[in-house]
Amino acid sequence: QQQVKQSPQSLIVQKGGISIINCAYENTAFDYFPWYQQFPGKGPALLIAIRPDVSEKKEGRFTISFNKSAKQFSLHIMDSQPGDSATYFCAAGGQGAQKLVFGQGTRLTINP
Amino acid sequence: DGGITQSPKYLFRKEGQNVTLSCEQNLNHDAMYWYRQDPGQGLRLIYYSQIVNDFQKGDIAEGYSVSREKKESFPLTVTSAQKNPTAFYLCASRGETLNSPLHFGNGTRLTVT
Repeated sequence: QQQVKQSPQSLIVQKGGISIINCAYENTAFDYFPWYQQFPGKGPALLIAIRPDVSEKKEGRFTISFNKSAKQFSLHIMDSQPGDSATYFCAAGGQGAQKLVFGQGTRLTINP
Repeated sequence: DGGITQSPKYLFRKEGQNVTLSCEQNLNHDAMYWYRQDPGQGLRLIYYSQIVNDFQKGDIAEGYSVSREKKESFPLTVTSAQKNPTAFYLCASRGETLNSPLHFGNGTRLTVT
């Protein structure tokens, strides 16, 4: 019940395309869903986060879509750029994100 | 410049030796965390501490130990009991407000041979 399943494991997208990464969770007590971006040799950094009272949140080229009934959420990167090449982690947490459960990660490569 | 400092960046040890990874933060955060990162497995929680002199086991605490004697510091010891210690270790902290994000250090890559 604590798992967060993330797919795909790796993704290659052409520059200018849309990158889509999906996550599914089981625990209905989760109420905070962040996405983290990690570059090689660095720690992850918060990219964007959503709470279940909204179905979509957009920040620049990054959008989270949230489907509460299906217990799924996804990250969309519009107009993907080579600088977006990184590993992306979804996560889920309850009670103010005291303890986050992370997905397995997606290695995104944007080809120029 | 506020942040989390993990040292060293690379660490090599022989099997059977204990090793301590350092984590220092100057963000004045109460909560601190240790995660382990392995390819294809995401980030798994080892230990966390919400206040000085208190800490709780995470999902994969076996073979690890921590201390929290100061607010700024949360060292992790990888003991010889940890069966597969070679990994990338990440320390993080977060503030007190609801849904405060995790701030991560740049990690320590531990190799045990």
